[in-house]
Amino acid sequence: QQKVQQSPESLSVPEGGMASLNCTSSDRNFQYFWWYRQHSGEGPKALMSIFSDGDKKEGRFTAHLNKASLHVSLHIRDSQPSDSALYFCAASEFGYAQGLTFGLGTRVSVFP
Amino acid sequence: GGIITQTPKFLIGQEGQKLTLKCQQNFNHDTMYWYRQDSGKGLRLIYYSITENDLQKGDLSEGYDASREKKSSFSLTVTSAQKNEMAVFLCASSIGGSSGNTLYFGEGSRLIVV
Repeated sequence: QQKVQQSPESLSVPEGGMASLNCTSSDRNFQYFWWYRQHSGEGPKALMSIFSDGDKKEGRFTAHLNKASLHVSLHIRDSQPSDSALYFCAASEFGYAQGLTFGLGTRVSVFP
Repeated sequence: GGIITQTPKFLIGQEGQKLTLKCQQNFNHDTMYWYRQDSGKGLRLIYYSITENDLQKGDLSEGYDASREKKSSFSLTVTSAQKNEMAVFLCASSIGGSSGNTLYFGEGSRLIVV
């Protein structure tokens, strides 16, 4: 079973619109969460991390974490064509070095 | 800032062949990782290394070997290439372990088995 589950699988958003991505974990040991973005032909790049309950805003991107329900979301305001990419949710446990566990990704397409 | 360089960008080999991917980082990070990315399956951890000469197996280590002879480099060997493992291999590094530390990725190396 996938420990980090993302929805939807794909999303089409009009330019200037809001994109909302969701992520749920089934492992209560996960304490730290990231959103990564991957453009075609490139490696994933960290968009933002969130470790505490509540909202975290960076520019047009807002992440929300609810540790009780192990739910993380990412909202992209004023979506731009350059936001078209594959978005991954990733999580790690406290005190472990063994890498991040990734979801399968949400593909976002921004259309004019 | 720093950069992670993966070579080659494309690696073409025959079935059963031993093939090696290389990764260099100039972040001076302690921990390095190899992930495999298959379409529709996300990223899965193959090997990681918390310091020079250290090797730790991930969930997908069978069929792979790794080597960390220097802090700045981490190589991955496919011991016997199979057609069903054509994928993109991603190298990453972090300042410490992944607990609370961001991973920085290279551009990836695509393995093609003919």
